[in-house]
Amino acid sequence: GESVGLHLPTLSVQEGDNSIINCAYSNSASDYFIWYKQESGKGPQFIIDIRSNMDKRQGQRVTVLLNKTVKHLSLQIAATQPGDSAVYFCAERGAGSQGNLIFGKGTKLSVKP
Amino acid sequence: DAGVTQSPTHLIKTRGQHVTLRCSPISGHKSVSWYQQVLGQGPQFIFQYYEKEERGRGNFPDRFSARQFPNYSSELNVNALLLGDSALYLCASKSLSSYNEQFFGPGTRLTVL
Repeated sequence: GESVGLHLPTLSVQEGDNSIINCAYSNSASDYFIWYKQESGKGPQFIIDIRSNMDKRQGQRVTVLLNKTVKHLSLQIAATQPGDSAVYFCAERGAGSQGNLIFGKGTKLSVKP
Repeated sequence: DAGVTQSPTHLIKTRGQHVTLRCSPISGHKSVSWYQQVLGQGPQFIFQYYEKEERGRGNFPDRFSARQFPNYSSELNVNALLLGDSALYLCASKSLSSYNEQFFGPGTRLTVL
């Protein structure tokens, strides 16, 4: 069935280093992917998205890479800051759906000063 | 502009009771989706509504129901509450003109005792 999972549940990085958060998805028909950041006690916050006809998309300090061959998605955060500490979720749009997203369990990113 | 708003922020109920959660989408957004987020997991899709009609339903029992009003706000109702219904309930809205970028509210924390 459809599922989105993450390779690592936790990630600890030093402030200023680059962070890479990985995600595997199982539905090859999924055509849209989003990364969300969720801080404690808050709802998920949109970071960046990518459509399946793209391999890479860049935002401010963030880059999303999509490898459809191995059904892998990654989020790269440049010059990680303490404010980046949060749980990061990847989500895919369910095949044939108009609005529902399928989320993975999340990766907790901790930034050490 | 105000983001997605939800009320109440916290709620405590006992088993067997019912609950109504409310959501106001971002101005101009006609699509509202509801998600359940159990502690330590990613959000799980419950319903999507737009133009006051149900457009998608996740794998939740009939105790869960929702509706959308002419002003595009929405209510999520849960009957016969179980301990396992304790979770953060998230509402997300999107513009019908956007690909699928959903904006989440802060959520309602429901505790069932």
